[in-house]
Amino acid sequence: SQTIHQWPATLVQPVGSPLSLECTVEGTSNPNLYWYRQAAGRGLQLLFYSVGIGQISSEVPQNLSASRPQDRQFILSSKKLLLSDSGFYLCAWNPRGSGNTIYFGEGSWLTVV
Amino acid sequence: AQSVTQLGSHVSVSEGALVLLRCNYSSSVPPYLFWYVQYPNQGLQLLLKYTTGATLVKGINGFEAEFKKSETSFHLTKPSAHMSDAAEYFCAVSAPSGSARQLTFGSGTQLTVLP
Repeated sequence: SQTIHQWPATLVQPVGSPLSLECTVEGTSNPNLYWYRQAAGRGLQLLFYSVGIGQISSEVPQNLSASRPQDRQFILSSKKLLLSDSGFYLCAWNPRGSGNTIYFGEGSWLTVV
Repeated sequence: AQSVTQLGSHVSVSEGALVLLRCNYSSSVPPYLFWYVQYPNQGLQLLLKYTTGATLVKGINGFEAEFKKSETSFHLTKPSAHMSDAAEYFCAVSAPSGSARQLTFGSGTQLTVLP
């Protein structure tokens, strides 16, 4: 079966420290992959999407970056975190031919202090 | 471009009562429509989706939604609320010719179920 996992589930990081959130998808190949952020009371914001290895598109300018080193691995990073980076980060994937249906991972809570 | 409006950021119902969560969309083409549920500290889970065909769509946990083109609506209903239905619900829309990255989410409706 197809599953998606992301980690860590929670993270507390000081301002200026680096960040790495990882996401993997199992049971499929060549998925489209996405990183969303859900800030309190602000709904879902698409940050990055990827249609293949090394292919990253950014939807909004920000302090974050994304990489896809392997077909089913998607990483969200930052070199120096800001307070405003706090939020709930969701990895998601989209099976090809699914009619634009997106499936989400469990989410990662990031608190920057 | 598409947009979604969820009427009511908070809805409260009594256990056993009808659940009605409202979603109106704007799209220049016949849309794909989705409802997701999010329990506290978890990711979003797909409840149901409409792409083509029958306009009344049944989903998981006893929920259903009806696509009404004339009203540009896709309201979510459940005949009898259960305590476990307490969660946040998101409506989303995309254009069939677009990609999933163009999925537009509403701002969410927090459902509270009262005993």
